[in-house]
Amino acid sequence: DTGVSQDPRHKITKRGQNVTFRCDPISEHNRLYWYRQTLGQGPEFLTYFQNEAQLEKSRLLSDRFSAERPKGSFSTLEIQRTEQGDSAMYLCASSLYGEDNEQFFGPGTRLTVL
Amino acid sequence: GDSVTQMEGPVTLSEEAFLTINCTYTATGYPSLFWYVQYPGEGLQLLLKATKADDKGSNKGFEATYRKETTSFHLEKGSVQVSDSAVYFCALSEIHGQNFVFGPGTRLSVLP
Repeated sequence: DTGVSQDPRHKITKRGQNVTFRCDPISEHNRLYWYRQTLGQGPEFLTYFQNEAQLEKSRLLSDRFSAERPKGSFSTLEIQRTEQGDSAMYLCASSLYGEDNEQFFGPGTRLTVL
Repeated sequence: GDSVTQMEGPVTLSEEAFLTINCTYTATGYPSLFWYVQYPGEGLQLLLKATKADDKGSNKGFEATYRKETTSFHLEKGSVQVSDSAVYFCALSEIHGQNFVFGPGTRLSVLP
């Protein structure tokens, strides 16, 4: 399967713990995006990378959140000191810059903070 | 800031009925417009798109026309099937290759 993959698919953690999610984009895609989706809502933009550079961060991305894409391929999203309000689906998408904005989405990681 | 508004769901239709899901947007420039679909248990998939005014996107029997004068991008299908049951998201992208702004989604259920 050459689509966007995310790991893990589900994560249950206790409040205060740190969690890390991984996203593997489509191999030739140079842009990678993170979104958060809560129940009954559309995805909300968090941040995006072009190659290894993080070009934009949403105000939703508090200091407890950090994202990296060290070699311009896979990306990780870490949430420190998780709170119950962090419970959501975290989506990753990738695209090829120059191709009319089409983003390809992964299946998401569902985070539950107890 | 940019925003997308969709008609509230859920929408329940009988098979072969006509579907319209309304979408309107607010943007400062001239965005590209998209419809994404999320089938149960699956990730978001692009359904169709339009990049400039009066463009019509179409796929799998679905259509939507970019109407700049009414800032709308309504999704239509002439005859829905049970397999079309899903959540549909309208979205815009203001700058080429930048992040999307999504609407809240409209859940469609098609009954046999």
